[in-house]
Amino acid sequence: SQQGEEDPQALSIQEGENATMNCSYKTSINNLQWYRQNSGRGLVHLILIRSNEREKHSGRLRVTLDTSKKSSSLLITASRAADTASYFCATLIYNQGGKLIFGQGTELSVKP
Amino acid sequence: GAVVSQHPSRVICKSGTSVKIECRSLDFQATTMFWYRQFPKKSLMLMATSNEGSKATYEQGVEKDKFLINHASLTLSTLTVTSAHPEDSSFYICSARVETGPNYEQYFGPGTRLTVT
Repeated sequence: SQQGEEDPQALSIQEGENATMNCSYKTSINNLQWYRQNSGRGLVHLILIRSNEREKHSGRLRVTLDTSKKSSSLLITASRAADTASYFCATLIYNQGGKLIFGQGTELSVKP
Repeated sequence: GAVVSQHPSRVICKSGTSVKIECRSLDFQATTMFWYRQFPKKSLMLMATSNEGSKATYEQGVEKDKFLINHASLTLSTLTVTSAHPEDSSFYICSARVETGPNYEQYFGPGTRLTVT
């Protein structure tokens, strides 16, 4: 079953602009992770934020987590054409056997 | 870093035949592996949790007799799609879990694209 819903489903921006993707989930989580997937390829782990953290940075990536609203956002600053990919959030829930459940994903297109 | 491989990366098979996909953790041991399925332009759907030495736990709606999972060792899990049909065509991704304290880490394989003709 899917846990998260992401919006927007698709996002098209110009190179240099910022891209923001949002993820909402339904149940309590232990951590939330963001992944990138280039078309037809495997997943690349971007960042993990624990349930007791509110914000985390990694290079041009900034992730926030609001457990009261059960939502997270991923911000990519100064986007590049190479950032074009699908982005998924995934939630880890211990009391469901430690499964990682993925959101629907956002398809990001960065135009040069 | 932890590496997970999948073999084959692509496979084409005829309807009615069975196909086996391997998932290996190359430089670590994994008591738990997961199998996901992904349709084009869709998200990953968890199919089952594979535990070394015991039966797999399947998600609701996944036919366990059609998708046979075997986790025979701490570095290998296999998914066998039996009596494949065109609707089984999909991208299958495995992941292996490393338990590092209170937060698990999961490492994903590169995926296997199955086409059933």
